[in-house]
Amino acid sequence: SYALTQPPSVSVAPGQTASISCGGNNIGSKSVHWYQLRPGQAPVLVVYDNSDRPSGIPERFSGSNSGNTATLTISRVEAGDEADYYCQVRDSSVDHYVFGSGTEVTVL
Amino acid sequence: QITLKESGPALVKPTQTLTLTCTFSGFSLTTSGVGVGWIRRPPGKPLEWLALIYWNDNKRYSPSLQSRLTITKDTSKNQVVLTMTNMDSEDTATYYCAHRRRMVVSGKWGYYFDYWGQGTLVTVSS
Repeated sequence: SYALTQPPSVSVAPGQTASISCGGNNIGSKSVHWYQLRPGQAPVLVVYDNSDRPSGIPERFSGSNSGNTATLTISRVEAGDEADYYCQVRDSSVDHYVFGSGTEVTVL
Repeated sequence: QITLKESGPALVKPTQTLTLTCTFSGFSLTTSGVGVGWIRRPPGKPLEWLALIYWNDNKRYSPSLQSRLTITKDTSKNQVVLTMTNMDSEDTATYYCAHRRRMVVSGKWGYYFDYWGQGTLVTVSS
C-alpha cells in the first residue's frame, strides 16, 4: 500500500519560515492535501490540490509537489500555527485514502 | 454551510461492537461525487483513514480494518453510520467524520476532506 513519510517534528522561531516535507513514491503525480490539527479542535484543510488554499486560510500557507516530495511551507510563522500537520493523497489504484505520519510544528 | 457531528459511546468494552453516527447538514449524500469518510487518531499516533461511502452507495475500507468495519448511510436522516466489531484497546482514539470533496484542477482530479466534525473520543476499556 502507498505510504507517506513526514518528519516527526519541526521547530521554528516566530516570523521565520517552516517547511514540512511529505515523501512518497512519485508523489508528484498525485494531488496532495494538507491538514492542520490543533488539540481539541476539528482538523482544518489548509492546502488542497498541492498548492491551493481554501477560503479563510492565510496566504502564509503554501504548498508544492514534485518528484517524490511534497512540501507545505508556512511563512512568517505565528504562535497560532503551532499544531500537527498531515499530508494526504488518494491511492487511485484501489480508491483508498492515505495520510502521512504527521509533523508537530513547534513555535519557539 | 456544511457541518458534521459525530455521536456514539465514549466507552466500550473489549470485544464489543462500536457504532458511531455522523449527522451532517449543508449537503446531500445523493449528489453525484459526494462522499463521507471516517478517520481516527489514536493518542500519540497519526491520523488513520477508516472508511468512505459515496453518493451511489459504493463503499471503501481501510485494508487493515476491512474485516471489522461496515459503513452505511441514511439519506433521509442525513446520517452515516460506522460500525467496528471486536473492539480492542488499540482502537482507543478520537473518531472523525468528514465531507469528501472531488474537484478537478488543471485536468487532474483531487479528492480531499474539506469539512470535518469535532470528533468523538472513544475509549476501549473493561
